[in-house]
Amino acid sequence: GQQLNQSPQSMFIQEGEDVSMNCTSSSIFNTWLWYKQDPGEGPVLLIALYKAGELTSNGRLTAQFGITRKDSFLNISASIPSDVGIYFCAGFTGTASKLTFGTGTRLQVTL
Amino acid sequence: DAGVTQSPTHLIKTRGQQVTLRCSPKSGHDTVSWYQQALGQGPQFIFQYYEEEERQRGNFPDRFSGHQFPNYSSELNVNALLLGDSALYLCASSGDRGFSGELFFGEGSRLTVL
Repeated sequence: GQQLNQSPQSMFIQEGEDVSMNCTSSSIFNTWLWYKQDPGEGPVLLIALYKAGELTSNGRLTAQFGITRKDSFLNISASIPSDVGIYFCAGFTGTASKLTFGTGTRLQVTL
Repeated sequence: DAGVTQSPTHLIKTRGQQVTLRCSPKSGHDTVSWYQQALGQGPQFIFQYYEEEERQRGNFPDRFSGHQFPNYSSELNVNALLLGDSALYLCASSGDRGFSGELFFGEGSRLTVL
C-alpha cells in the first residue's frame, strides 16, 4: 500500500538541540497529522493540521501544513530524552475513512 | 477513562492457522479501524467498522475479515496465515462526528507466524 515519504529516516541528536523532519506525498491531503510511537505502544496523536499553510504548536512541537497540500513539517525545539521514539506523519483526504501513514523518522536523543 | 484495549498482546501461530484479535474502543467512540504495522514500517489501513458494517477496506486480501459488535467492540480475523502476516496489528477508535483523521490507538497485538 501507499506510504508517505518521511525524511530523515533516523536522527541522533543531543539533548537541547532542535529537530526538523518532513513528510511528502504525491497526492493531496486535506488533513495532515503527526503521531509518535514509543516502543511497545501504539501511535499517539501529537498535532493535527486542517488547512493549507496552517502552522500549529503543541508545547515544544510545531507543525506546518504545506501550501501545496502535499507535504508537512514537524519541528521539536529543545529536545529532551523523552522525545525518543518514532514519529509518523499521516494524511487524510476527508472523503475516505483511512489514514495514509509515512515511513517514520526514528529520533534518538543523547545526553 | 479506559483507552483502546486490545487482546492478546502477543501470540505465535503457524502457517495455515487462523487467528482472532480483539479490540474495545475508547469510551464514547463508535468507530473502529484496524491497521497492520510490519517491522520498520508505518501502519497500513486494513478496514474500518461503523454501525457493525465494514465502511471501507484497504488493500488486503479476503483472508482478512472483521466484525463489530453492538457494544462497538471489534474483532479482526485472519485465515490461512502466511509468514508475511507477521506484524503488529493496531486497533484505533474514533468518534464518528465527521471523522477528522484523529485516531486513538491501542498498544497492538504482536502476531508472529512461524
